[in-house]
Amino acid sequence: NAGVTQTPKFQVLKTGQSMTLQCAQDMNHEYMSWYRQDPGMGLRLIHYSVGAGITDQGEVPNGYNVSRSTTEDFPLRLLSAAPSQTSVYFCASRGAYNEQFFGPGTRLTVL
Amino acid sequence: AQTVTQSQPEMSVQEAETVTLSCTYDTSESDYYLFWYKQPPSRQMILVIRQEAYKQQNATENRFSVNFQKAAKSFSLKISDSQLGDAAMYFCAYRSAIAGTASKLTFGTGTRLQVTL
Repeated sequence: NAGVTQTPKFQVLKTGQSMTLQCAQDMNHEYMSWYRQDPGMGLRLIHYSVGAGITDQGEVPNGYNVSRSTTEDFPLRLLSAAPSQTSVYFCASRGAYNEQFFGPGTRLTVL
Repeated sequence: AQTVTQSQPEMSVQEAETVTLSCTYDTSESDYYLFWYKQPPSRQMILVIRQEAYKQQNATENRFSVNFQKAAKSFSLKISDSQLGDAAMYFCAYRSAIAGTASKLTFGTGTRLQVTL
């Protein structure tokens, strides 16, 4: 099992550019989510999904879109990148015992 | 909305000694889950220990144990026989057990633990 994988590991964007952060899991978990981690603020939930075709907003959804066409994949789209979106992004999936498995993270810088 | 507070931004412990990291939370719910995650410099989030609120017994995982005080809404992590590899950021997290809140973890701001020789 690869667990939760994320690509890319690092990305630099210019303001206004769009991009997609990829997330995949091979554990057949229904629940997946995206968090961002900023200094001094812990991790905050952006969007989550309880299964293929079902997504919902978390605490800080503005500027991000998600879709869930398969159980395995849960991409996060930045529509028009802003410097405020500079952060480390984590994808996670929830296991049978309520624990969250996190991916290795993507460090995004928006200039 | 639930909140999680970690009041110790940094802690330091000598190798082989014991350290306790504090966490308090605020909720009106009676059923929920609490977690401690470790984040080393590699950035990977690693689950350390989990506690179900309906269980009175404190969870333990090898050198890691918790002191769960439900009435006080307190969930501290004790690390015994500290090792250099324990140095990391530690995050306390809360998850509701209410259906429909499946993936929502609420995190504290973290405690950076240093382990010295």
